[in-house]
Amino acid sequence: EVQLLESGGGLVQPGGSLRLSCAASGFTFSSSAMSWVRQAPGKGLEWVSGISGSGGNTFYADSVKGRFTISRDNSKNTLYLQMKSLRAEDTAVYFCAKDVLIDYWGQGTLVTVSS
Amino acid sequence: DIQMTQSPSSLSASVGDRVTITCRASQGISNYLAWYQQKPGKVPELLIFAASTLQSGVPSRFSGSGSGTDFTLTISSLQPEDVATYYCQKYNTAPFTFGPGTKVDIK
Repeated sequence: EVQLLESGGGLVQPGGSLRLSCAASGFTFSSSAMSWVRQAPGKGLEWVSGISGSGGNTFYADSVKGRFTISRDNSKNTLYLQMKSLRAEDTAVYFCAKDVLIDYWGQGTLVTVSS
Repeated sequence: DIQMTQSPSSLSASVGDRVTITCRASQGISNYLAWYQQKPGKVPELLIFAASTLQSGVPSRFSGSGSGTDFTLTISSLQPEDVATYYCQKYNTAPFTFGPGTKVDIK
C-alpha cells in the first residue's frame, strides 16, 4: 500500500524558513517522480514543485522559484521541500504527491505564515 | 507558461442530470490532461488521465474527451456522492498547472 506522510508544517513568521518532509513507502521511491502541491484555505490546488526519480531534474512554479528548493534522499525514501523567505500568501496545506500525474496524495501538512 | 481555465466555476444540478465541465489550455498540450475530484475535507483523487482514460475504480458515469486545447469532463448521471470540486491539470511539461476548479453540488 502506497503511503505518503508529510511532516514539518507549522507557524512561521514572514521572512522565515521551514523544511517539509515526506516519508514514502509502498512503491519503488527512486523510480518515481514526486511533486509538492499546495492548497490555501478555501482555495484551489496549486502545483508547487516537482523532482525526477534520480533527483537530477527539478521544477518550480513561478510563485516559489528562487525561494523553495525540492530535494530527495532515495536512501531514506524521503522527499523534502525547503522553504525560505516565506510570505503570508504561502499559507496553505502542502501535499506530497507521487509523480506529476498524481495517483497518490499524502494527507497534507499545514503551513501558516503569520506574525 | 501555459494557463489552464475551467468553466463554469460552479454549478448546481439535479440527481440524474448530465453534467459537463470544460477545461481549456492556452496552448496545445496534446492529450496530457488529467481530471481530479476533491470531495469536501478530503484529499484529491485522480479520475481521468490522458484526457479520456478512466483511472481504475472510477465509476463509468465519468468520462473525458478532448485534445489540444479544449477538454471536457462529463458525468452522465449525477449522483449525490459526486458533490465535489473538479480540477483539470496539464502534465506534458513543467509547470504542471491545475485549473482553478469547478464546484459541483446538488440542486
